[in-house]
Amino acid sequence: DTEVTQTPKHLVMGMTNKKSLKCEQHMGHRAMYWYKQKAKKPPELMFVYSYEKLSINESVPSRFSPECPNSSLLNLHLHALQPEDSALYLCASSQDRGGYEQYFGPGTRLTVT
Amino acid sequence: GQNIDQPTEMTATEGAIVQINCTYQTSGFNGLFWYQQHAGEAPTFLSYNVLDGLEEKGRFSSFLSRSKGYSYLLLKELQMKDSASYLCAVRDRRYDDMRFGAGTRLTVKP
Repeated sequence: DTEVTQTPKHLVMGMTNKKSLKCEQHMGHRAMYWYKQKAKKPPELMFVYSYEKLSINESVPSRFSPECPNSSLLNLHLHALQPEDSALYLCASSQDRGGYEQYFGPGTRLTVT
Repeated sequence: GQNIDQPTEMTATEGAIVQINCTYQTSGFNGLFWYQQHAGEAPTFLSYNVLDGLEEKGRFSSFLSRSKGYSYLLLKELQMKDSASYLCAVRDRRYDDMRFGAGTRLTVKP
């Protein structure tokens, strides 16, 4: 099983809402990532978890809050987002950090109204 | 930080060969990835180079020259399905994780 799954596929939320994005992998990978991708731009790294601990936070605003409940799951909690946060949010995992192939999920298309 | 440069767009003909270049500047280079991303889909891994030289994988090859801060992705026998964005990503010792360049959008025409 080389699949990373993400739910939901699409999400529309208001600026006062609280929602969560979910990501799951069952490959035994120990590194998991959140990326944000705007149209016609490359993915931008937001957070890196390694062995269920947050390793990198790329100066992401606090309205984005990651959580890694266990080695297979990664969540991204959203609160008080802005319209400019509308983007595709990609989750990825790899065997470990560093020089390993990352497997990407299909993404959640987020629209903030 | 890192500077990663790739051409924004390229066009090639079905059956031809195309070379997509990537130049980078980083103080702690520790590997270079190439990913393919079709419109509306997630990126998929193509190659990883950490030593100088050419790595061949079917129709795709990737080359690295660390002294020149340069890599290229070579696609042979182009097919229509190769129309996609090709992302060069550099790994830096300070971060240990890759950072993507802006990507090259390749269009393959009949």
